[in-house]
Amino acid sequence: GENVEQHPSTLSVQEGDSAVIKCTYSDSASNYFPWYKQELGKRPQLIIDIRSNVGEKKDQRIAVTLNKTAKHFSLHITETQPEDSAVYFCAASWAWGNNRLAFGKGNQVVVIP
Amino acid sequence: ETGVTQTPRHLVMGMTNKKSLKCEQHLGHNAMYWYKQSAKKPLELMFVYSLEERVENNSVPSRFSPECPNSSHLFLHLHTLQPEDSALYLCASSQDRGTGGYEQYFGPGTRLTVT
Repeated sequence: GENVEQHPSTLSVQEGDSAVIKCTYSDSASNYFPWYKQELGKRPQLIIDIRSNVGEKKDQRIAVTLNKTAKHFSLHITETQPEDSAVYFCAASWAWGNNRLAFGKGNQVVVIP
Repeated sequence: ETGVTQTPRHLVMGMTNKKSLKCEQHLGHNAMYWYKQSAKKPLELMFVYSLEERVENNSVPSRFSPECPNSSHLFLHLHTLQPEDSALYLCASSQDRGTGGYEQYFGPGTRLTVT
């Protein structure tokens, strides 16, 4: 099955700076890579996703890049704000997997005002 | 109510008790999932139901028993649990057309404590 590794486990950034979280996956057949944000005491919510036929996707201050050759993908948050403080999970899904997602361990992002 | 709902939100049970978790989705999806979320661990997929049929049982102990009576409802029946089963149990739903790549919508979770 798919194995997703996520680094670093904790990231502290100054408000206004950028944050980058990296994930690697093991199954070259994976073709869908979502990122979920989970605020304290709340449910995980999708913030951005990318499919294997695209190398980069951007949505306002959030962007995701995918390197299929190296089997890694990254989340980039620019101009960080206190409300960006949360746990971020990357995941990978494969084409015939009944939409199953393999999640990384999560990354705690702390934005320091 | 819209989205994915779960009841109860908190549950404390003894090791000899039997209880059930309930999940309901109002999104018209045809797939539902149970996840276990423990501290410092990835979200662990437990069960997947697609079109009301179980398509995945991710090596979950038999003390956890899922039930999906229709595409909108999912249950997780619990019996003779262990303290290490204490965790947040999340339900999710999505479309499933057999090809993957659909957003999963999560419920708020049930915080389970086994004493």
